[in-house]
Amino acid sequence: IAGITQAPTSQILAAGRRMTLRCTQDMRHNAMYWYRQDLGLGLRLIHYSNTAGTTGKGEVPDGYSVSRANTDDFPLTLASAVPSQTSVYFCASSEAGGADTQYFGPGTRLTVL
Amino acid sequence: RKEVEQDPGPFNVPEGATVAFNCTYSNSASQSFFWYRQDCRKEPKLLMSVYSSGNEDGRFTAQLNRASQYISLLIRDSKLSDSATYLCVVAPGSWGKLQFGAGTQVVVTP
Repeated sequence: IAGITQAPTSQILAAGRRMTLRCTQDMRHNAMYWYRQDLGLGLRLIHYSNTAGTTGKGEVPDGYSVSRANTDDFPLTLASAVPSQTSVYFCASSEAGGADTQYFGPGTRLTVL
Repeated sequence: RKEVEQDPGPFNVPEGATVAFNCTYSNSASQSFFWYRQDCRKEPKLLMSVYSSGNEDGRFTAQLNRASQYISLLIRDSKLSDSATYLCVVAPGSWGKLQFGAGTQVVVTP
């Protein structure tokens, strides 16, 4: 069982380019999340999904979009990347929402130049 | 003001010693509390939940003080493998919006 996988592991991207970060889980969890982690700021929620077909905005959603076409996949798209989106991005999932334990993927290190 | 605040450290701890650190939260309606552990350049992983009565898991003890709005983590008999960043996590009760602190770094030295 892989748990949660993310791709790519790292990426350097020119500003203005479109980028999709992939996230797949094999635990059949209902809820999935995208966070960004920046030094000194901790993890901040970008978007989340309670269940397949639904999504919601987190603390820092601007410049990002998500979709949840099925239970396993939760891609995060940067429509037009900007340098302030340089960060480490973690995808997570939990069996349900609320205070359920969240399981994290290994992260994607994104640099926008 | 951040919703969850932690001393970033680092806390430098000799192997075998005890280290303790706190985390404060601003939302008095918060209902669930956790400590996650994050190794360098790795993903966070749940270390333990924090219950109102306090709880232990081996060498780790977590306490909750609702009146003063803080939680604590104590590590006894520190091991080199305890070196990590410890993230304080608070669930305010609304769905899917865990609040993460920026983390406290612990460095255990031989």
